Amino acid sequence: DAKTTQPPSMDCAEGRAANLPCNHSTISGNEYVYWYRQIHSQGPQYIIHGLKNNETNEMASLIITEDRKSSTLILPHATLRDTAVYYCPGQNFVFGPGTRLSVLP
Amino acid sequence: DARVTQTPRHKVTEMGQEVTMRCQPILGHNTVFWYRQTMMQGLELLAYFRNRAPLDDSGMPKDRFSAEMPDATLATLKIQPSEPRDSAVYFCASGLVLGRVPGELFFGEGSRLTVL
Repeated sequence: DAKTTQPPSMDCAEGRAANLPCNHSTISGNEYVYWYRQIHSQGPQYIIHGLKNNETNEMASLIITEDRKSSTLILPHATLRDTAVYYCPGQNFVFGPGTRLSVLP
Repeated sequence: DARVTQTPRHKVTEMGQEVTMRCQPILGHNTVFWYRQTMMQGLELLAYFRNRAPLDDSGMPKDRFSAEMPDATLATLKIQPSEPRDSAVYFCASGLVLGRVPGELFFGEGSRLTVL
């Protein structure tokens, strides 16, 4: 099962795109890439997932590199309410420290 | 809206006491997870069940923690005896896992435990 690594923190200006990277260099060919976020003390919330192709939903877009060793979660127009910790857990359901995104006014 | 329900939401107890946390997963979900979150350790996976059978509890201290699923609508996490270092927020999550596709996990609001 893949172990993932993410930068500990990032800032983004309100209204701009937030691009959050995740490295999953040990991912196997049939493992999915998942993204969750945790706002303050709430339980984590699912955002999006993908296998090989890029994905988009109402919350975000997911870009997976061709070699699948990394991915980027894109919040196209970040708002203050997107301030949260973002996780890309491995398929073994292990969550790392995540990236703390601060959206600044 | 279907949701994962956890009780109690808050619990303050004294060291040495037994603590039981309960979780009602979303109906139809076949996999239930228990996580613990502290500032120091982040979100730790303690154990998870598939179709009520324990699949992995390697993250759980075996001497004092136990997790069970008496039926498909109830998962329990018990600590006996509790210690101050067990103070944390405990999250339950459920999901529908088909084959090797984990699916989306739905988390409860957590049970905040304080052991004095």
